[in-house]
Amino acid sequence: EIVLTQSPVTLSLSPGERATLSCRASQSVSSYLAWYQQKPGQAPRLLIYDASNRATGIPARFSGSGSGTDFTLTISSLEPEDFAVYYCQQRFNWPPLTFGGGTKVEIK
Amino acid sequence: QLQLQESGSGLVKPSQTLSLTCAVSGDSISSGSYSWTWIRQPPGKGLEWIGFIYHSGTTYYNPSLKSRVTISVDRSKNQFSLKLTSVTAADTAVYYCARENDYSWFDPWGQGTLVTVSS
Repeated sequence: EIVLTQSPVTLSLSPGERATLSCRASQSVSSYLAWYQQKPGQAPRLLIYDASNRATGIPARFSGSGSGTDFTLTISSLEPEDFAVYYCQQRFNWPPLTFGGGTKVEIK
Repeated sequence: QLQLQESGSGLVKPSQTLSLTCAVSGDSISSGSYSWTWIRQPPGKGLEWIGFIYHSGTTYYNPSLKSRVTISVDRSKNQFSLKLTSVTAADTAVYYCARENDYSWFDPWGQGTLVTVSS
């Protein structure tokens, strides 16, 4: 099973600041990695797929990078609606498909 | 626009079977070559993939749950279902259904339904 480790667990930032979230895989997942955003009481929403492609309707301030075992989600300038929990997910080696433990981006 | 809606019992007794249905609207469950997925999230915790069923009927399950899980499709009702047997308190979670998008990632998702296992 591929384990995805996200860091930090919590990121405290102010609106307008840049957010950098990390996802590290226990073995290579090539570029088969996605990022999801989850707000309280809502289902997760796909943000980035195949490591660096924005899903339909996702603002350009969200970007993804990386391959192999190290991946980054960057939010260039935080908007109030971006404060949420972010999860990475791999589909390179399954079953099982696996998710990271999440990073909470909170208002400082 | 494709929409998914979970339904089922919100309270299940320990050792019994959890049964949920995901109603699909906006598209036929038989169209394309997508997989139809169940994912769960215990309160305050992260996401766990349960399994999915392909359009062909082939199923794949999380090995940690495989002995207790069955996912099936009812094409006449345009829905798919989850059964989880011998539940315990550890199965208490919000259960989501989702479909793969054209790039094989989970999109869209249903809104989720909370299932509590308690006597």
